[in-house]
Amino acid sequence: GENVEQHPSTLSVQEGDSAVIKCTYSDSASNYFPWYKQELGKGPQLIIDIRSNVGEKKDQRIAVTLNKTAKHFSLHITETQPEDSAVYFCAARTGFQKLVFGTGTRLLVSP
Amino acid sequence: EPEVTQTPSHQVTQMGQEVILRCVPISNHLYFYWYRQILGQKVEFLVSFYNNEISEKSEIFDDQFSVERPDGSNFTLKIRSTKLEDSAMYFCASSDRISDRGPEAFFGQGTRLTVV
Repeated sequence: GENVEQHPSTLSVQEGDSAVIKCTYSDSASNYFPWYKQELGKGPQLIIDIRSNVGEKKDQRIAVTLNKTAKHFSLHITETQPEDSAVYFCAARTGFQKLVFGTGTRLLVSP
Repeated sequence: EPEVTQTPSHQVTQMGQEVILRCVPISNHLYFYWYRQILGQKVEFLVSFYNNEISEKSEIFDDQFSVERPDGSNFTLKIRSTKLEDSAMYFCASSDRISDRGPEAFFGQGTRLTVV
């Protein structure tokens, strides 16, 4: 079955810096890759997603890139702000509807 | 903005007891899911449900688990005889359809289940 690896597990940046989180997946049939932000005590919140026929997608300060050949995708956050501090999960869709999640990245943005 | 709501937010139960976790998915959605997250670990898929039946389930979802959509709005997860290792945050999610955009699954706030 699908396996999603995510790194780094923790990432500390200064406010205004960029942050990059990387994921790899194993199932070449996966075709949908969302990113979720999870704040303490809350459920995962979808922040951006990308389909397998697109190489890059951007939404304001957030962008996601996908390399199907290498089977990896990345989340890029520019001009980070303290409120970006959270745990970020990547995921890949496999099978009927199942999302397989990565292990999460704890992002800490220091003022 | 429509959202997935879950009740209760926190449930404490004795080992061996049955619990029912409740979810109200977004009203026009057709696909429903349960995921769980053991403290500090990643979110794991349990089960997906469509057209009043299970469409996919993980190896975690064994005979002690069951799901039901008892009416037009609720979606429940029942754990028949809870074990200590069932302690986790349980998330309900829903999506409207499989489309080119992918199943944009929207998650509820979760129910923290503590088995003592």
